[in-house]
Amino acid sequence: AQSVTQPDIHITVSEGASLELRCNYSYGATPYLFWYVQSPGQGLQLLLKYFSGDTLVQGIKGFEAEFKRSQSSFNLRKPSVHWSDAAEYFCAVSPSGTYKYIFGTGTRLKVLA
Amino acid sequence: EAGVAQSPRYKIIEKRQSVAFWCNPISGHATLYWYQQILGQGPKLLIQFQNNGVVDDSQLPKDRFSAERLKGVDSTLKIQPAKLEDSAVYLCASSQVGDGSTGELFFGEGSRLTVL
Repeated sequence: AQSVTQPDIHITVSEGASLELRCNYSYGATPYLFWYVQSPGQGLQLLLKYFSGDTLVQGIKGFEAEFKRSQSSFNLRKPSVHWSDAAEYFCAVSPSGTYKYIFGTGTRLKVLA
Repeated sequence: EAGVAQSPRYKIIEKRQSVAFWCNPISGHATLYWYQQILGQGPKLLIQFQNNGVVDDSQLPKDRFSAERLKGVDSTLKIQPAKLEDSAVYLCASSQVGDGSTGELFFGEGSRLTVL
């Protein structure tokens, strides 16, 4: 069965430090891959997505993610975290053409001033 | 462009009572999803519609949950009777399909249900 694993439940970083959130998926073929962010009391907002092509994708708010087929990973990165980045981050996969989305359990990011 | 609208934002009920949530997707989006998000977990798909037909309701507890999407636009999710474990945020999302689709899900702000 398809699954998404986000091994880090909580991550705390200092403002200005770099960030990497991990995501691994289990699926036979390369699915569509997404990262969403959820601020308290809000719905989910798309940060970036990967369908095909260049394995390094750029998103909004200075985020990027790299798809590594050999590791079945799609890790999210940001070179310098801002206090406003504190939120919960979800990785999601969608087998291409199905319009079905499976979400990971999320990583809650805390940013220290 | 108006986003996905949901109501109510918050609802508190006692167990065994009923509740209904409403969702209006982005205009032109054929696919509509209801997700359940329990505190500390990722969203779990309850039901997926394409136009007014059900694509996937395999994880919908059909003994107590029901959903409909009349005329392929608005949708209503109902719980009757509610249980304590139904306390969660119910997220509605919509997406385009076919040519022009970005594959992106657009979410509403959610309806938070507390069952006492």
